[in-house]
Amino acid sequence: EIVLTQSPGTLSLSPGERATLSCRASQRISASYLAWFQQKPGQAPRLLIYGASSRATGIPDRFRGSGSGTDFTLTISRLEPEDFAVYFCQHYDNSPLTFGQGTRLEIK
Amino acid sequence: VQLVQSGAEVKKPGASVKVSCKASGYIFTANYIHWLRQAPGQGFEWMGWINPDTGGRSYVENFQGRVTMTRDTSTRTVYMELNSLTSDDTAVYFCARWDPRTLSTDHWGQGTLITVSS
Repeated sequence: EIVLTQSPGTLSLSPGERATLSCRASQRISASYLAWFQQKPGQAPRLLIYGASSRATGIPDRFRGSGSGTDFTLTISRLEPEDFAVYFCQHYDNSPLTFGQGTRLEIK
Repeated sequence: VQLVQSGAEVKKPGASVKVSCKASGYIFTANYIHWLRQAPGQGFEWMGWINPDTGGRSYVENFQGRVTMTRDTSTRTVYMELNSLTSDDTAVYFCARWDPRTLSTDHWGQGTLITVSS
């Protein structure tokens, strides 16, 4: 079973700053099956990035995904107030569907 | 695309709960539906999936024997029933559509809080 480990657990930044979130897989995975989500309190997750680097419909270009093999990164270039939330990575290639434990992005 | 789930419920230990997920805005039979849950302050736990076209399903081993996923194509609704509830089942339950184009769960229901308490 693939285990996804996200770091840091919490990231404290100010609006306008750059955020770099990491998702590391326990073994090599296909980038095609790596997605990133944003979740705000009391809401369902929203798909941001699929295939490790493709933005989902309607996602601003300040969100960028990258990586391959075991190391993947979500970068938010200039933080907007609405970007402060929890971010999860997801992997599903046959089975099981797994998630990282999340990175909480909070306002400094 | 929209997935609308049934409302929050409070159940006693040992009881069963059935959560619905009504789909709209796309061809209902074209996308698998996955069920996941998120306990308070925790990450996501995958429960399994159902194929709305055939009714075929697959459950995660941890839930085998306790979970049943069904669908009603006439109402475009998927159901997840969990029985023998314990306090450990207290969580928000989500349905999510699997998109074979993006290889991700691209749309989610709003979540249903199930609280198990005596």
